Amino acid sequence: EAGVAQSPRYKIIEKRQSVAFWCNPISGHATLYWYQQILGQGPKLLIQFQNNGVVDDSQLPKDRFSAERLKGVDSTLKIQPAKLEDSAVYLCASSSLTDPYGYTFGSGTRLTVV
Amino acid sequence: SQQGEEDPQALSIQEGENATMNCSYKTSINNLQWYRQNSGRGLVHLILIRSNEREKHSGRLRVTLDTSKKSSSLLITASRAADTASYFCATGTYKYIFGTGTRLKVLA
Repeated sequence: EAGVAQSPRYKIIEKRQSVAFWCNPISGHATLYWYQQILGQGPKLLIQFQNNGVVDDSQLPKDRFSAERLKGVDSTLKIQPAKLEDSAVYLCASSSLTDPYGYTFGSGTRLTVV
Repeated sequence: SQQGEEDPQALSIQEGENATMNCSYKTSINNLQWYRQNSGRGLVHLILIRSNEREKHSGRLRVTLDTSKKSSSLLITASRAADTASYFCATGTYKYIFGTGTRLKVLA
């Protein structure tokens, strides 16, 4: 079974620029998550999708972050404009409705804002 | 916000020794999970323990859960250099809340 795919692996941008990350979950996984992991901390949930609907985006800084999952499969996370404190690893994970503990994480995108 | 706090924040041991890390959490849980994260990689699920369980084993891993103290521990026996990683506890169903992590370094 293919894992959760994320791209790019690394991204360096200047502050105030925009950036987008892409995630392709495991086939058949209805639930998709984006987490932000700042260096030295645990991952923090940004947004949770079930199919193409948002279940929880309470910790997403909506003034600059947006995410979509239009067809209920792939997802993109965008930051516009980026701030220095957005430097982190952005992790995507997916799970099936029948196995909520069967989380699979992607390798993440490491963002550096300079 | 972080639900769990791992202790210690960092741990350095010799190969062959046992490593113990602890997790304390704030609210009632249905289950608790432990994850491993190698440097620069995603998280890998290690073990899940339900709130009605007190101890669980998986290979060289032993997890305990004390719901009265809102704490869990992860023991890695006979550690290897390949166990060098960060370890996180996580609580929740569907939506996980992760702790702050313990950085384990196993010296060959």
